[in-house]
Amino acid sequence: QVQLQESGPGLVKPSETLSLTCTVPDGSISRYYWSWIRQPPGKGLEWIGYMYYRGSTNYNPSLKSRVTISVDMSKNQFSLKLKSVTSADTAVYYCAGLVTSLKWFDPWGQGTLVTVSS
Amino acid sequence: QSVLTQPPSVSAAPGQKVTISCSGSNSNIGYNYVSWYQHFPGTAPKLLIYDNNKRHSGIPDRFSGSKSGTSATLGITGLQTGDEADYYCGTWDTSLSAWVFGGGTKLIVL
Repeated sequence: QVQLQESGPGLVKPSETLSLTCTVPDGSISRYYWSWIRQPPGKGLEWIGYMYYRGSTNYNPSLKSRVTISVDMSKNQFSLKLKSVTSADTAVYYCAGLVTSLKWFDPWGQGTLVTVSS
Repeated sequence: QSVLTQPPSVSAAPGQKVTISCSGSNSNIGYNYVSWYQHFPGTAPKLLIYDNNKRHSGIPDRFSGSKSGTSATLGITGLQTGDEADYYCGTWDTSLSAWVFGGGTKLIVL
């Protein structure tokens, strides 16, 4: 069972950049489209975007102007940067692996709560 | 407003059967495969069903999936109190070029 672990600040100020990292097991970085998904309080899941280790990316059109996902193969990590955050970006953020056929997400991380507040 | 529509909640007694619907359009469910996820708050969502109707490794056969046209359904038989969770459908939307989820359905086992 592939285990993922998110890490990053739990509190971000409005207008600043949210930064999270997901560590994946050694040897698995090339097996998936590495993705970020979030769940605002009381709401459903929202796909943020993905990156493949070869460099291709795809972002949710509603967030595209503010999102960057990158991969660091040397560290077995991929990262999320979301700029100009507001309270609407408060959510539990999950990292997940999207199979290369784009048909399902597995594995998932446990999620990390990020609160946007001054 | 989610691209895929699910009922906010469903309920049934232990031992009974329940179905959760997921309605979409030709650009998502009608054209692509559907997957289903079980989510207990505070934990990692868990893949239950992929490719419309295939059970993920370790998922009991009490869980089943189906798809017809632009709708998909998750079925759970022999309900247990441990099945109380949120359930999400998801698929790729070809028009949006984006992954879309349903709004989630809370299963209540009475």
